[in-house]
Amino acid sequence: DAMVIQNPRYQVTQFGKPVTLSCSQTLNHNVMYWYQQKSSQAPKLLFHYYDKDFNNEADTPDNFQSRRPNTSFCFLDIRSPGLGDAAMYLCATSRGAGGYHYEQYFGPGTRLTVT
Amino acid sequence: AQRVTQPEKLLSVFKGAPVELKCNYSYSGSPELFWYVQYSRQRLQLLLRHISRESIKGFTADLNKGETSFHLKKPFAQEEDSAMYYCALGGNYGGSQGNLIFGKGTKLSVKP
Repeated sequence: DAMVIQNPRYQVTQFGKPVTLSCSQTLNHNVMYWYQQKSSQAPKLLFHYYDKDFNNEADTPDNFQSRRPNTSFCFLDIRSPGLGDAAMYLCATSRGAGGYHYEQYFGPGTRLTVT
Repeated sequence: AQRVTQPEKLLSVFKGAPVELKCNYSYSGSPELFWYVQYSRQRLQLLLRHISRESIKGFTADLNKGETSFHLKKPFAQEEDSAMYYCALGGNYGGSQGNLIFGKGTKLSVKP
């Protein structure tokens, strides 16, 4: 089945220790998104890639970076995680053209714990 | 500012009862509205979009621009409808098309 895969599903890191979350897709979609979702809150868009073009949200902290080496993979790097960065991180994809931007396909998420 | 408000964190109904999940939005342009659903232990997925004007799993939602609302309705709730429902607003934000703004979600619990 074509899908969006996130690894790992659970990640524990130490305060200040860099961590990378991974997302891959077999849908061949142009756009890949990273969302942060804290408990009882809405998913919040951090940034997205349209093909190789990176689009950062204005209020995304500099501590968060992303890489997209090819169509299939996208990474979320947190350079120095703080306790406030503990959250569920969702990866999503969309075709990105012809009105399909908003039909997004989500991965299962990675739950990040910062100790 | 663009905003999506779902006033109810939790909605509990009995099986067979009508259900309405409320969503209000704030957007200066022409909005595109969506409902996403997350069933237990499953990923977030698109339920329906206002542009399609379709019924999915018995759910419908009508965009009311006068009231800036996009409420999700189903005449007879089923236990399998129990899930987390998110209303989402699509538009151009900061010149970047394709971004969704999600509400905080409403947890629907359908009791037998």
